[in-house]
This record gives sequence, structure tokens and C-alpha cells, in this order.
Amino acid sequence: GENVEQHPSTLSVQEGDSAVIKCTYSDSASNYFPWYKQELGKRPQLIIDIRSNVGEKKDQRIAVTLNKTAKHFSLHITETQPEDSAVYFCAALSNDYKLSFGAGTTVTVRA
Amino acid sequence: NAGVTQTPKFQVLKTGQSMTLQCAQDMNHEYMSWYRQDPGMGLRLIHYSVGAGITDQGEVPNGYNVSRSTTEDFPLRLLSAAPSQTSVYFCASSYEGRGTGELFFGEGSRLTVL
Repeated sequence: GENVEQHPSTLSVQEGDSAVIKCTYSDSASNYFPWYKQELGKRPQLIIDIRSNVGEKKDQRIAVTLNKTAKHFSLHITETQPEDSAVYFCAALSNDYKLSFGAGTTVTVRA
Repeated sequence: NAGVTQTPKFQVLKTGQSMTLQCAQDMNHEYMSWYRQDPGMGLRLIHYSVGAGITDQGEVPNGYNVSRSTTEDFPLRLLSAAPSQTSVYFCASSYEGRGTGELFFGEGSRLTVL
């Protein structure tokens, strides 16, 4: 089955700086890679996703890059703000429709 | 639309008891899934379904059963609860039957097994 590893587990950044979270996956047939944000006590919510035929996708301050050859993908948050503080999860969808998540990254934005 | 509704929100069980976590969605989504969330371990897939009448196992299916008799409902059954099943459970659904779309999560159900 798919194995998704996520690093780092915690990340503290100064407000206005950038944050980068990296994930690797094991199944080369995986074709869909979403990122979810979970605020404390809330449910996870999709923030951005990328499909295997695209190398990069951007939505305002967030961007995701995908390297299929190396089997890794990354989330980039620029100009971080206090409301970006949350737990972020990467995920990969295998070709048997299982969506596997990484262990999560707790991001803290310092004012 | 109510979205994805899970009940109960909180439950305390004794070891060996059985129970069902209910999940219903009113968005006509084909894909539904159950995850458990434990500290430091992310979201782990228990079971999933790509449509009514079809279910499959995820990463951690042992001790859990599911059924999908209708598009709307996807209950998760704990047959004989164990302390290791203490967790927060999330039900989620997606319009895309293959799972290649946004997952909408329920609010979660916090289960404690004593």
C-alpha cells in the first residue's frame, strides 16, 4: 500500500516569512496529491491539490510542487500570517482509490 | 445542505462493548471513507467506499466493519471495543467516486474505550 512521509513534524516561522512542508510517497502509480489544513478542534479542510500531470499549482499565498520522478511533493506558504497556524496534512491517492495521509506538520506563526 | 453529519460526537465504551458510529451525507457523493486520528499519526484510513454496495479496507481495518446500502449512509461498526480504539473518528465524502476530489469531513466523533 501507499506510504506517505511528511517533514517536519513541527515548524515555527516568523510572521511574514515562508513555510515549506515536504512529503514523499511510495506508490509510483499515485496520481492525486491534496493538502489539508486542520485548525485546533476543527475538521480537516482542503487547501490545495495537484494531479500527477501537473508540476506546480499556485493559489494566492500557497503553492504546491510535485516531482513524480523523485516521488515527492511540497507545500509552500508565503507571507505567513497568524491565521496560518494549524496542522497541515499531505496525502496521496493510490490507484485503488485509497487516500493515505502523512502524519501532519504543526505550523506556528510567531507574531 | 447539512454536508457530512456524524453521530454521536462523544462516546465512552467499556472494553468488549459494541457500537455504531453513524455517518450521513446529503450531497449525493459517491465516495465515502472513515479515518481515525491519533496524536502524531495523522489520519489513518479504516474503510472506504466508491459507491453504494461497494466497500473496501483501508490501512487499519481490523476491529471495524462497514456497509454502504445507500449512497447517503456509511456507518462504522465496532464489534468488540478495545482501549486501542480510543481515538477521534472522521467520516468524509467526495463527489468524485475515485476519490480524486475534495474530501468533505464530518465534525468528528471522539471515542473513549475504558
